[in-house]
Amino acid sequence: DTGVSQNPRHKITKRGQNVTFRCDPISEHNRLYWYRQTLGQGPEFLTYFQNEAQLEKSRLLSDRFSAERPKGSFSTLEIQRTEQGDSAMYLCASTRTGTAEAFFGQGTRLTVV
Amino acid sequence: SQQGEEDPQALSIQEGENATMNCSYKTSINNLQWYRQNSGRGLVHLILIRSNEREKHSGRLRVTLDTSKKSSSLLITASRAADTASYFCATGAGGSNYKLTFGKGTLLTVNP
Repeated sequence: DTGVSQNPRHKITKRGQNVTFRCDPISEHNRLYWYRQTLGQGPEFLTYFQNEAQLEKSRLLSDRFSAERPKGSFSTLEIQRTEQGDSAMYLCASTRTGTAEAFFGQGTRLTVV
Repeated sequence: SQQGEEDPQALSIQEGENATMNCSYKTSINNLQWYRQNSGRGLVHLILIRSNEREKHSGRLRVTLDTSKKSSSLLITASRAADTASYFCATGAGGSNYKLTFGKGTLLTVNP
């Protein structure tokens, strides 16, 4: 069990640029989640995959956001035309089938300047 | 939207003292979990309590759940400086996706 891995750990980008983050879940976990956390707040749910299928998207996920999980393994979260309001910590988590305990990665901190 | 509210928002204690954090939530739940987050890092799962349970222990942690009041508490006994972190409660509404709804957290500082 190597844990959930997220890359990069930090990303600074100029407003209007596109960014992509990667999450590698624990290998036997079939569920994968993306959360966003701003300073002083708890994480907020963005989207969820079961295997390769994206089954739920939050209203927080605007059209500029897209997430994929090809082949049900790693996942990517892309933000197009970044805005300063996108600055946040993006957290990935995975869960084993039938369990609620979530294992989180270390997060990707995005700063849009 | 945030489901729960942790209380207090910040708590500062001396090493060896007990720390109690409270969480209130709004809707019916299937389970409630507590997570810890060290500054700038990911979250670590601490304990899960199901809606049909009232109390649960894990090491120095004790969690209670009162579904009639829609509230939970986390007690950390004999605190250590290493317990300094933010603590979040998270509720799961059930169903098949296990997505979590978090509160805003309690920042615990344990002074050596």
